[in-house]
Amino acid sequence: GAGVSQSPSNKVTEKGKDVELRCDPISGHTALYWYRQRLGQGLEFLIYFQGNSAPDKSGLPSDRFSAERTGESVSTLTIQRTQQEDSAVYLCASSLGRMGTQYFGPGTRLLVL
Amino acid sequence: DAKTTQPTSMDCAEGRAANLPCNHSTISGNEYVYWYRQIHSQGPQYIIHGLKNNETNEMASLIITEDRKSSTLILPHATLRDTAVYYCIVRPQTGANNLFFGTGTRLTVIP
Repeated sequence: GAGVSQSPSNKVTEKGKDVELRCDPISGHTALYWYRQRLGQGLEFLIYFQGNSAPDKSGLPSDRFSAERTGESVSTLTIQRTQQEDSAVYLCASSLGRMGTQYFGPGTRLLVL
Repeated sequence: DAKTTQPTSMDCAEGRAANLPCNHSTISGNEYVYWYRQIHSQGPQYIIHGLKNNETNEMASLIITEDRKSSTLILPHATLRDTAVYYCIVRPQTGANNLFFGTGTRLTVIP
């Protein structure tokens, strides 16, 4: 596609439920990143994929958060047993290689009630 | 991680040039300067990046001082659609995988 796409654009869930957020990177981009942005705050790095492997998971805030990538393309970020503090915009970015320019998707706005 | 310093906010009249400064006095030789912006409720948008030479593209110009300790992003003819938070990011060629977004400069273009 022309750019990074993410779905859903908005997600409202109840505390304790699991959610899955999807990212479709730019075709051919081997590197993929997930970030989180809480209301009025800066971006927090969550995880980095090179191909289907995640050599850097240092930003995942707890074991409730996991992510996978398949076919060196689509990635899914899963949050289990959601908490209210998980409410944020989750942003995905991709780049040609690890040091390439990162291009961001529009984000998924997650609200945990 | 905070390797850059930017003013919290700036105003610019529509049609005039917007000059956004950034200090990165501890930048090292292998670190690039990147600029992104984030318009309300959207994902960050890449603008431009450079190492030591000045750069220009269809969106903006990037002027990096000779000692590389500061830079200026120039939007030559600001429009209302340029109202956004602008982030100056120093990124090494090796090491960290992620981009560190500080607090940025909130640019308001005034009609």
